[in-house]
Amino acid sequence: ETGVTQTPRHLVMGMTNKKSLKCEQHLGHNAMYWYKQSAKKPLELMFVYSLEERVENNSVPSRFSPECPNSSHLFLHLHTLQPEDSALYLCASSQNGRGRNEKLFFGSGTQLSVL
Amino acid sequence: GESVGLHLPTLSVQEGDNSIINCAYSNSASDYFIWYKQESGKGPQFIIDIRSNMDKRQGQRVTVLLNKTVKHLSLQIAATQPGDSAVYFCAGPDPTGNQFYFGTGTSLTVIP
Repeated sequence: ETGVTQTPRHLVMGMTNKKSLKCEQHLGHNAMYWYKQSAKKPLELMFVYSLEERVENNSVPSRFSPECPNSSHLFLHLHTLQPEDSALYLCASSQNGRGRNEKLFFGSGTQLSVL
Repeated sequence: GESVGLHLPTLSVQEGDNSIINCAYSNSASDYFIWYKQESGKGPQFIIDIRSNMDKRQGQRVTVLLNKTVKHLSLQIAATQPGDSAVYFCAGPDPTGNQFYFGTGTSLTVIP
């Protein structure tokens, strides 16, 4: 166990559905991240939260909406997704989120399929 | 733009042999690198890291080598075991230090 828990593990949704991905970290870290992992492509950073403040938004479409109510929980709200959004969505945490020398601890991901 | 990548998408080795996975990067100012292992159905797991003031760092059965002159790093796995079968990523910071670039990964298959 990495100390980062994601639910659900698998999600199938239609393009008109609204769903949310949940992430919880038990490591006492101050920063949390959402990454997208598509086949044959590098991990793509989507959002970074440090001390519950969003510090990075990598030009992600508005149909993805993150929420960080506290330093231990992170959500990704999904609305009106497209089939090309099907991917593995990974949550990660790190100690501070602003330094150059930080290890990321990843959850197991949510495998999302958009029909 | 800056990038971190891997040389080979796949690598097959015999059980018991040593494995070498390579990674190249473009930003000469990068000062910290991490290797991750991702098994099927799991997220990436930290293996070992190295700072730019070092050329080599050893862990349990793993060694990372950093060649700053040619901007190349490698992960060596000694006595490769079936449990080492996974995708291996190198990651390095972007110039701002706010995020890591990840390579596309090398899929290592260990042949019994």
